Amino acid sequence: GQQLNQSPQSMFIQEGEDVSMNCTSSSIFNTWLWYKQDPGEGPVLLIALYKAGELTSNGRLTAQFGITRKDSFLNISASIPSDVGIYFCAGQLITSGTYKYIFGTGTRLKVLA
Amino acid sequence: DTGVSQDPRHKITKRGQNVTFRCDPISEHNRLYWYRQTLGQGPEFLTYFQNEAQLEKSRLLSDRFSAERPKGSFSTLEIQRTEQGDSAMYLCASSPRGRDYPEAFFGQGTRLTVV
Repeated sequence: GQQLNQSPQSMFIQEGEDVSMNCTSSSIFNTWLWYKQDPGEGPVLLIALYKAGELTSNGRLTAQFGITRKDSFLNISASIPSDVGIYFCAGQLITSGTYKYIFGTGTRLKVLA
Repeated sequence: DTGVSQDPRHKITKRGQNVTFRCDPISEHNRLYWYRQTLGQGPEFLTYFQNEAQLEKSRLLSDRFSAERPKGSFSTLEIQRTEQGDSAMYLCASSPRGRDYPEAFFGQGTRLTVV
């Protein structure tokens, strides 16, 4: 199935550091979502973006909807151990009649205390 | 708990058996999605419903797979004659009515193991 390109694939960081990850596509999207998934659990919604150029924050998380509508990034500031997990982007395509979300390949984050 | 509920959480079955999973979406959410996730991958779209109508199906949804949402509330996903390649996490999500591009909320998933 189709998946978006996410980078980096994985990262190890020290507690307190800032984290940045991004998601790119060859297709134009009208909505971007960012999720966090813990092992054995379903994805949990972190941030939703609806407009090109939009910058939205949720606590220590900040995400932006790229102006070209083909990319998005997520920043986590001052990381803590509980930020460990897999982060997925998901985009909703601008095609008539479809409301499905296409997911990225995930960024695996490990925080070293 | 008013989130998306999936049952069972885990299912182990022998190859060739049929299995059925249930999803109860968030109340009044009119869109319901099924996704499949294998180890190390992001969720892959299978199908989605708007109310009781199944509006889109992925090519991943072979003839052995069928999904229903008979009254526009809960949904079931059935896999017939299971194969080892069907082993995966099956995720259900729902999104609210009345908005053009609403966000999707996921359940905890059903982990299927075919032995």
